[in-house]
Amino acid sequence: DVKVTQSSRYLVKRTGEKVFLECVQDMDHENMFWYRQDPGLGLRLIYFSYDVKMKEKGDIPEGYSVSREKKERFSLILESASTNQTSMYLCASSPSVSNYGYTFGSGTRLTVV
Amino acid sequence: KQEVTQIPAALSVPEGENLVLNCSFTDSAIYNLQWFRQDPGKGLTSLLLIQSSQREQTSGRLNASLDKSSGRSTLYIAASQPGDSATYLCAVSLGDDKIIFGKGTRLHILP
Repeated sequence: DVKVTQSSRYLVKRTGEKVFLECVQDMDHENMFWYRQDPGLGLRLIYFSYDVKMKEKGDIPEGYSVSREKKERFSLILESASTNQTSMYLCASSPSVSNYGYTFGSGTRLTVV
Repeated sequence: KQEVTQIPAALSVPEGENLVLNCSFTDSAIYNLQWFRQDPGKGLTSLLLIQSSQREQTSGRLNASLDKSSGRSTLYIAASQPGDSATYLCAVSLGDDKIIFGKGTRLHILP
């Protein structure tokens, strides 16, 4: 089975800190995604990547950046964390062929205080 | 713009009943549709993936159907159990490697 591993289940950070959320997948998938999930708003796409060193903005990229130096790893960076970035962050991966589905990690619950 | 709707937002049913969760989408030009389960505070677990050329998929007590022409999918759960309590989300793929999610149906199975 494909595994998508997010390095932290829970994180508490202070306002203004630089925060790194790490995601690693073990099945050689080309595509990787970062979502945030908030009550009433559902899942919203932050950034995605189709290949190493490639990145594309999703629907809500403001305040975030990403890094994909290796195919298996996709990092989400909060340059200066703010309280409105308190959320559940979900990473996903998929192969490049569109007829295959997504596999999600277990999520990181980030609280910014 | 593709929109995915799941109604109702929440549902409670007694244990042992069969139930149907609904998902509708506005644009029938989809590549596939995927149903996920999410437990509180956890990530999404894929349940079933239906390709655009398929009508249904089955896994154990779960059966998902797809009617592209009417923009609808259903997830049928047979003989529900308390362990089925979770939020169920559907998502449609547009073929550009991105998917659009519904907001989910929160299911509670009453013991």
